[in-house]
Order: sequence, then structure tokens, then C-alpha cells
Amino acid sequence: DGGITQSPKYLFRKEGQNVTLSCEQNLNHDAMYWYRQDPGQGLRLIYYSQIVNDFQKGDIAEGYSVSREKKESFPLTVTSAQKNPTAFYLCASSHSFGYTFGSGTRLTVV
Amino acid sequence: QKEVEQDPGPLSVPEGAIVSLNCTYSNSAFQYFMWYRQYSRKGPELLMYTYSSGNKEDGRFTAQVDKSSKYISLFIRDSQPSDSATYLCAMSDNGGSQGNLIFGKGTKLSVKP
Repeated sequence: DGGITQSPKYLFRKEGQNVTLSCEQNLNHDAMYWYRQDPGQGLRLIYYSQIVNDFQKGDIAEGYSVSREKKESFPLTVTSAQKNPTAFYLCASSHSFGYTFGSGTRLTVV
Repeated sequence: QKEVEQDPGPLSVPEGAIVSLNCTYSNSAFQYFMWYRQYSRKGPELLMYTYSSGNKEDGRFTAQVDKSSKYISLFIRDSQPSDSATYLCAMSDNGGSQGNLIFGKGTKLSVKP
């Protein structure tokens, strides 16, 4: 089955820690995206990548970092600089139009 | 004015009702229009898409685009409890592959048995 796999499903982070969210796709899509979803705020773009070894900041990139070393993988690191990281994080990929989303990772700061 | 406006609801209807979900937008360059359905604690899934103006039907779902009014709609006929979800509209001028797919904030729908 083709799709996007996000892991873990739930993640707890202590204040001051960096954490990395995994996103893997086997759809052979070129473009990949990271969104943050908060209640009442909709989807906000963090980073996106159109090709391997290249990525662009989205609307809310501060406190986050990404890498794109392989076409299939686009991990997101939430750094200690992100002051309010508790949220639902969604990874997506696309080929020509429309996005395919993963099931999300819920990150909670404890 | 925000690029895409969507009433957040919540919208509660009885089973079997016709549901109308709507978005308005300001950018006349938008050509690709999509509707996503998101169940609680899951990722959005693409439900319908249309290019430019007109209607598209898929089973109980109909998507309409009125570019002259900058208004899109999703109609659900014979609504079922399994349709209870948040519905997000999304639109772009080029399909969104450059990180420019603009989403509405979503309308939460509850269909009561």
C-alpha cells in the first residue's frame, strides 16, 4: 500500500529538549510538507521541500528544522527554541496537485 | 481580508439531511479547489477536487465552484453519522506543489442518528 507514515503517533517532550518527528512516503512524490494544526487555527505550513537536498521555510518555521537527504524521508526537528510546541503535526506529500497526508503526530510538552 | 474564509461551525444535522459547506476566497488567481475530510485525531484525506468553475459529483458528494463570486461549496446528500468529521476547503493557483495550497480553517460537522 502506498502512503505516508508518521511516527510516533504520540510524543512527549520535556522543556528544553529537541525532538524529531519522522515522515516517510512510498508514493514516489517529489514534494513534501510539514504542517502544524492547532484548534481554531487551521493548518499552518512549517517547511516544505520540492526536491532532495532543498527545502523552504513556510509561515511558521521559527524553532523548527528539517532535512531532505532522501526522496522518501522528510524528518522534522522541534527545537528548544520553539516556545509553544504542543500541537498536532501533519506531514504531507504531493506530485502534481492535492496533498496526501499522514496520520499525524501529537506532540505534548510536559 | 484573509485569503480563504470558512465558517468553523460546529454544524449539527440529523441523519439524512442535506449538508452545505462553504468557503469564500479573495484571490482571483485560484484555479484548483479541493475539499478534505478529517476525522478526529487523523490526517486530512482528499475528498473532492475541481479545476476552475463548475460542478463535480461523486456519489453523495457534490462540489461547486463559482469563480465570479469567489465561492465554493460542498454538498452532502443523505448525510450519515459516518460523515461526522471536519471538512477543510483548500485552493491554489497551480495545484499547490510549491507550498502554496491555502487551507480554510475547517467546518466541524456532526450528523446525529
